[in-house]
Formats: sequence, C-alpha cells, structure tokens
Amino acid sequence: EVQLVETGGSLVQPGKSLKLTCATSGFTFSNAWMHWVRQSPEKQLEWVAQIKAKSNNYATYYAESVKGRFTISRDDSKSSVYLQMNSLKEEDTAIYYCTSTGKYWYFDFWGPGTMVTVSS
Amino acid sequence: DIVMTQSPSSLAVSAGETVTINCKSSQSLLSSGNQKNYLAWYQQKPGQSPKLLIYLASTRESGVPDRFIGSGSGTDFTLTISSVQAEDLADYYCQQHYSYPRTFGGGTKLELK
Repeated sequence: EVQLVETGGSLVQPGKSLKLTCATSGFTFSNAWMHWVRQSPEKQLEWVAQIKAKSNNYATYYAESVKGRFTISRDDSKSSVYLQMNSLKEEDTAIYYCTSTGKYWYFDFWGPGTMVTVSS
Repeated sequence: DIVMTQSPSSLAVSAGETVTINCKSSQSLLSSGNQKNYLAWYQQKPGQSPKLLIYLASTRESGVPDRFIGSGSGTDFTLTISSVQAEDLADYYCQQHYSYPRTFGGGTKLELK
C-alpha cells in the first residue's frame, strides 16, 4: 500500500523558517517524481515545487510565488522528500501536501497534509 | 501560466441525479505528439486530501466507480457524475498536467439539495 505522511507543520512568525518532511512507503521512491502542493484556507490548490529522480539529475522546479524562498530536496535512502521554507509570509499559510506523479504527470498519490500557519 | 476555470462553483443535487461540472483551460491541453489531453479531475471530501479520479481527460483511475465520466478535448472539459450518491458529496477540482506550473481550477462544491 502506498503511503505518504507529511510532518513538520506548525505556527510560525512571518520571516521565520520551517522544514517539512514527507516519509513514503509502498512504491519505488527512487524512481518517483515528487511534489509539494498546498491548499489555502480559501481551499484553492496551488502546486509549489517538484523534484525529479536521480536519473533526471534531481532537477527541481518551483512556483514563482515561492522561488528563491523554498527548497525541495529528497533522500532516496530514507524514501523521503523535504521542503525547506524560508522567509515565510502570511500568504504561505496553507495545508501542505506531498504528492507523487504518475506516468503522465498527474498527481496520483497524496499524503494527508500538514498545516502551516504564518502569523505574528 | 495556464488558467483553469471551473463552473459552477457549487451545485446542489438530490441523490440519483446526474450532474455536470465544467472546466475550461486558457490554452489547449491536447498534445500534438500523442493526441492526449492532459487534464485530471480530483475529489476532496471534508478533512481529507484530494483523490485522483480521472486523468488524460477520460481515463478513470483504478477503483473509481464508472458513474464518474470525464470528457472533452482541447480547452473544454466536463466531469459527469451519473446517479449521484451521498458518498459523492465533496469538492471537485480539475488540473492541467500539460505544462509547468501545474494549475488547478477553483473547485466545485457538490452539496445535497
């Protein structure tokens, strides 16, 4: 059974940093392209970042709204993907989901999400 | 960026009805290379994460009931739910998996009449 579990969400002040972790199991993580997608309190879904597999040189991609502030990374030995979030803004408040992509790049598996609240 | 526009934003239905949700993209999602439309639909129930229903516009994910039907091509797509059941009450989102950044529609809330 495929499982993705996000951890690390919390209440944080604007300008601070936070690191999210997604632990996975049940599939060949090393071959998977992994993403972070977030959902605002208004329920709008927004793709945040992607990291490809080792065979694709771990290429990364970011939404313009987080470029330069967020960094996605992975550890294939731990079947985990991470999201380092710096210089957090109130508009980064959201549930953050870890997802994987299928053959045609749709989001096939999702974790339950972790809540990040940025507020003073 | 490709803008995804969903309509309606909410829909009140009775059990057994057939409902249609529309999704329009600002650019064509049809690949000239393989003639496939890169459009997915997701269902999200309260307190849960989104669940993949349909990809490539009309391919049902394994385990998804056949009352969920995806159709359309180019820039106009539809999710039809025939004979709605109580368990189908949820939010539905379309998403293009054609280009970066991946973008989602604003969602459609399916409610009980």
